[in-house]
Amino acid sequence: DAGVTQSPTHLIKTRGQQVTLRCSPKSGHDTVSWYQQALGQGPQFIFQYYEEEERQRGNFPDRFSGHQFPNYSSELNVNALLLGDSALYLCASLGTSANEQFFGPGTRLTVL
Amino acid sequence: GEDVEQSLFLSVREGDSSVINCTYTDSSSTYLYWYKQEPGAGLQLLTYIFSNMDMKQDQRLTVLLNKKDKHLSLRIADTQTGDSAIYFCAESYGGYQKVTFGTGTKLQVIP
Repeated sequence: DAGVTQSPTHLIKTRGQQVTLRCSPKSGHDTVSWYQQALGQGPQFIFQYYEEEERQRGNFPDRFSGHQFPNYSSELNVNALLLGDSALYLCASLGTSANEQFFGPGTRLTVL
Repeated sequence: GEDVEQSLFLSVREGDSSVINCTYTDSSSTYLYWYKQEPGAGLQLLTYIFSNMDMKQDQRLTVLLNKKDKHLSLRIADTQTGDSAIYFCAESYGGYQKVTFGTGTKLQVIP
């Protein structure tokens, strides 16, 4: 079992650009959550996808959007990037035992 | 609202016990978690406790919950250098609800 995988590992963008981050959940998991972790902070919940729909959303602007595919993998899209979007973006997957989220290694996004 | 607070730093000697503390504000929280994050890595779930429990023990880890004071602690017995990491306290209503994290406590283990 490969666990939760994310790509790319690192990404550098400039202000105003758009970015797409990808996540494959743990085998058998159908729910994906995305978190943003700024340097020195705890992760902040962005949104959660289940059955290809956004089920919950945190306090993030509409510039942050997502998608879930039939195979349960997910994308996080961020438009009009700001310097403050620089962070580690973590994907977590949940299965039927919803008590445990399994996190991927994250994508480090740097906005210049 | 939801808020989770932790002290920023803890330093212990190898072989001693470590106690990491956390306070939370949301009395509706059903699940309380401890995660570990090593440099450059994602989050690893160490353990979790239901809000109707007072204590949970798992090998070297002991979690204590004081629901009245909204205080959670993680005790690591016989702390090893491999335990050096950032530890996050977190809460949720449970199930598929979002998880709210604290700012993390950096544990430094001195050989």
